[in-house]
Amino acid sequence: GQSLEQPSEVTAVEGAIVQINCTYQTSGFYGLSWYQQHDGGAPTFLSYNALDGLEETGRFSSFLSRSDSYGYLLLQELQMKDSASYFCAVNTGFQKLVFGTGTRLLVSP
Amino acid sequence: KAGVTQTPRYLIKTRGQQVTLSCSPISGHRSVSWYQQTPGQGLQFLFEYFSETQRNKGNFPGRFSGRQFSNSRSEMNVSTLELGDSALYLCASSGGTEPGNTIYFGEGSWLTVV
Repeated sequence: GQSLEQPSEVTAVEGAIVQINCTYQTSGFYGLSWYQQHDGGAPTFLSYNALDGLEETGRFSSFLSRSDSYGYLLLQELQMKDSASYFCAVNTGFQKLVFGTGTRLLVSP
Repeated sequence: KAGVTQTPRYLIKTRGQQVTLSCSPISGHRSVSWYQQTPGQGLQFLFEYFSETQRNKGNFPGRFSGRQFSNSRSEMNVSTLELGDSALYLCASSGGTEPGNTIYFGEGSWLTVV
């Protein structure tokens, strides 16, 4: 089976940089994705790593290391609107995602 | 371009009843998947349909079923509802079949079983 662990909560201040880690145990997957979900809202796609290394999309960057069974999401220049839950997920075939435990990010002024 | 639309948004059912949830994917998307989200179990995959065929199924009992129509719209059904079925049910669609294709989620249907 697959399991993906994330810290339950991370706090930071506006303008700062925060890293959300994702460690996994899985027998195999195609890539690692990151999703953002505001309270009461839909998960929104942020980033996808098919290969090891860093992917950058604006203020967000994501990293994957298959040899270390580890990935992270890096959020720069934090804004209040970034307060949300963040989920890592592995794609195990077609459009099947196995999600991590989720991290609640609280950004304070 | 309209996003993934789910109906109803909120519903309350009694234990033992059944419920049907509906999902309209983004226009042109042929892959539709369903997820259950609860505080205790997080986001869990239910099943995925592509061109009216179920391609993947999660570890849920047979009370959970789904189908997809020729216009790619999808429905999921839960029979003999239990209190533990109270959850947010999310539908997602994707325009391609490759694992890296972006998956777009709807805002979900909040089901409360009493």
